[in-house]
Amino acid sequence: DTEVTQTPKHLVMGMTNKKSLKCEQHMGHRAMYWYKQKAKKPPELMFVYSYEKLSINESVPSRFSPECPNSSLLNLHLHALQPEDSALYLCASSHRVGGTEAFFGQGTRLTVV
Amino acid sequence: GEDVEQSLFLSVREGDSSVINCTYTDSSSTYLYWYKQEPGAGLQLLTYIFSNMDMKQDQRLTVLLNKKDKHLSLRIADTQTGDSAIYFCAETLGDGGATNKLIFGTGTLLAVQP
Repeated sequence: DTEVTQTPKHLVMGMTNKKSLKCEQHMGHRAMYWYKQKAKKPPELMFVYSYEKLSINESVPSRFSPECPNSSLLNLHLHALQPEDSALYLCASSHRVGGTEAFFGQGTRLTVV
Repeated sequence: GEDVEQSLFLSVREGDSSVINCTYTDSSSTYLYWYKQEPGAGLQLLTYIFSNMDMKQDQRLTVLLNKKDKHLSLRIADTQTGDSAIYFCAETLGDGGATNKLIFGTGTLLAVQP
């Protein structure tokens, strides 16, 4: 199983809503990542978790709050987002940070209205 | 800076070879990667090369690495319409520890004409 599963696939939320994106992998990977991708742009790193601890926060606004409840799950809690936060949010995992292969999920297409 | 540069667009005919180029930034990157992204989808890891290698071949894919010039290329032999997608190169930046980052290139849109 080389799958990273993200839910939901699509999400529309208002600027006052609170929602969460979920990511799951069962490959035994101990590094998990959140990326943000705007249209026609490369993915931009947001957060890295290594062994369930946050190791990188790329100066992401606090309206994005990551959580890694266990080694298989990664959440991204969203609150008071702006329309410019609309993007494809990609989760990835690898055996360890800087490991040879990072596997990506299909992403959550987020629209903030 | 951390810009990994790629040409924006490549158009080829079905059956021809495609060569996608990438210039990366960190000569100490241990691994370099090629990812494929189809419209509306996530990223699919195609192949990667270890920095002490010059070439890696995997079926229709050939990766060439020129460390001196920090140049990476992906050759797709016998390109098919299903190969139409955006291709990203990526490098790892960092000291090998928990603060390593996977940084993506600007992406090349490959259009395969039937």
